[in-house]
Amino acid sequence: LAKTTQPISMDSYEGQEVNITCSHNNIATNDYITWYQQFPSQGPRFIIQGYKTKVTNEVASLFIPADRKSSTLSLPRVSLSDTAVYYCLVAERGSGGYQKVTFGIGTKLQVIP
Amino acid sequence: KAGVTQTPRYLIKTRGQQVTLSCSPISGHRSVSWYQQTPGQGLQFLFEYFSETQRNKGNFPGRFSGRQFSNSRSEMNVSTLELGDSALYLCASSLGAGSGNTIYFGEGSWLTVV
Repeated sequence: LAKTTQPISMDSYEGQEVNITCSHNNIATNDYITWYQQFPSQGPRFIIQGYKTKVTNEVASLFIPADRKSSTLSLPRVSLSDTAVYYCLVAERGSGGYQKVTFGIGTKLQVIP
Repeated sequence: KAGVTQTPRYLIKTRGQQVTLSCSPISGHRSVSWYQQTPGQGLQFLFEYFSETQRNKGNFPGRFSGRQFSNSRSEMNVSTLELGDSALYLCASSLGAGSGNTIYFGEGSWLTVV
């Protein structure tokens, strides 16, 4: 099982770049890595997904080393509105080849003015 | 494009009752999965449906069940409610069910059992 491990919490000042690393030592060959952001009382919101190397979109970058045993979500110049819980997700293939999703505990990011 | 829609958003039930939650996936998405989120246990996978068939199931008792209709809409049912069932129930959909298919979540249904 591709269990994920993330820091429980992080603090950052506004305007700084934030990097959140997730460990997934048992990731399988076909597994993708996805990051979500969740605000209180809301559903998780998709941020970025990748398989290897680097992926960038308008809100974040995702760095995945060659061994794929970890990944780092990079949020450039965070603002107070980025205060949320961030989940790293590795989707496993369950029975019949379908996805079985296991979430870690998430990283609570607190952005400080 | 509309996102994943869940109804109702909030509900209060009495212990012993049953509840049905509804989920409409993003148009064109055929896979629907359900999750329970509580402060103590975090986000836990309940089950996944694809083409009206349950494909995967998490470690929850048989009181938790679900189904998917031919239009991909899904419902989950919890019977004989217990106080510990109070949680945010999240539905998510994806285009397909294989690895690499991005999962998109709804806003959830808040269930309080009293």
